[in-house]
Amino acid sequence: QSALTQPPSASGSPGQSVTISCTGTSSDVGGYNYVSWYQQHPGKAPKLMIYEVTKRPSGVPDRFSGSKSGNTASLTVSGLQAEDEADYYCSSYAGSNNYVFGTGTTVTVL
Amino acid sequence: QVQLQESGPGLVKPSETLSLTCTVSDGSISSYYWSWIRQPAGKGLEWIGRIYSSGSTNYNPSLKSRVTMSVDTSKNQFLLKLTSVTTADTAVYYCSRHRANWMIDYWGQGTLVTVSS
Repeated sequence: QSALTQPPSASGSPGQSVTISCTGTSSDVGGYNYVSWYQQHPGKAPKLMIYEVTKRPSGVPDRFSGSKSGNTASLTVSGLQAEDEADYYCSSYAGSNNYVFGTGTTVTVL
Repeated sequence: QVQLQESGPGLVKPSETLSLTCTVSDGSISSYYWSWIRQPAGKGLEWIGRIYSSGSTNYNPSLKSRVTMSVDTSKNQFLLKLTSVTTADTAVYYCSRHRANWMIDYWGQGTLVTVSS
């Protein structure tokens, strides 16, 4: 199985929006609505931000939103704040009880 | 609030077996899936596999030949064994709770395992 493809980096100024893409295939992202997004600060464990493509766990600000079109999922962070600077990973169910992560995107708040 | 804690040797010799334990507290291990995930320094996340509380397992095809997971419900623990390790297996290893909808809602703090002679 191959990792889902994410851009290595993304950036935006405070208050702006940034969108991260996550491209897979019809066997993973495109085939199931089981895409999740995780935020990871340096030296810390990842934190769930989005699940089932668009849903936010309790406690995650509504500045974070998810979507999907075809084989590509996206995470949008609106109203960027300094604490949003982190690595972000997408993930997807890949069929046959298999699971795959994205390559990761470093978000920088300028 | 479920808490997970990894434990095990921080140093393993090449060709030997890596063994880690994850202890679940403030919640039951029963009726959930539990996963192991690893992350080499400066690199991305890799799913190793998961185990249900009944003992049913699913492994990453790329690691399947070397991975064994087990669960001890009496101790609220689940375990990872990775055989024939090489330096490429050096990573931070996380244990986590993996829900039926394939989201991971709780993570351990991670433990660094270095493979070196």
